[in-house]
Amino acid sequence: GQQVMQIPQYQHVQEGEDFTTYCNSSTTLSNIQWYKQRPGGHPVFLIQLVKSGEVKKQKRLTFQFGEAKKNSSLHITATQTTDVGTYFCAGRDSWGKLQFGAGTQVVVTP
Amino acid sequence: EPEVTQTPSHQVTQMGQEVILRCVPISNHLYFYWYRQILGQKVEFLVSFYNNEISEKSEIFDDQFSVERPDGSNFTLKIRSTKLEDSAMYFCASSEIGRGTSGGAGNEQFFGPGTRLTVL
Repeated sequence: GQQVMQIPQYQHVQEGEDFTTYCNSSTTLSNIQWYKQRPGGHPVFLIQLVKSGEVKKQKRLTFQFGEAKKNSSLHITATQTTDVGTYFCAGRDSWGKLQFGAGTQVVVTP
Repeated sequence: EPEVTQTPSHQVTQMGQEVILRCVPISNHLYFYWYRQILGQKVEFLVSFYNNEISEKSEIFDDQFSVERPDGSNFTLKIRSTKLEDSAMYFCASSEIGRGTSGGAGNEQFFGPGTRLTVL
């Protein structure tokens, strides 16, 4: 079945630094979504990527969908303490099923 | 802003007991979902529901689980005979549109705050 892998599992970042988290699917995706879950909270939708090679930006967050539509990345620049949380990618396969990755837990050190 | 609500926020039950977790999806949404998240682990898909029937379910969603939309607003998850390993946070989610629509607005899922289920 479809597998969605995320790396790294944990990311410790100094405030102000940049980092990237990666999402890889074992199968081609029809689209990919990114969610953020703050500690003790619920997943909150961030963005959806649909087209091959698509790049979308939200302020300091840059999301990219790979050319083969099997991987995606989230790059955060100038990390702030408000970026703390777990970032999940969720890939939608050709059958429409959404499969979540294990998430990247981000800890920001002031 | 409309939001998904869930009750109760925390449910404690004895092993073998039945529990019903309740959700009120966003009113104009057509697709409803249940997920669970064991403490410290990833969000796991349980089931999706559309047009008053299950559209998809995962391996986790066995005969002990059932879902129902008893009226026009509530969406429930029932666990018939709880096990210790059912302890988790259960999230309900809804979306305006769902499978079969690969892109465009309305595809994103809005999650409720979750119900923490503790099975003793």
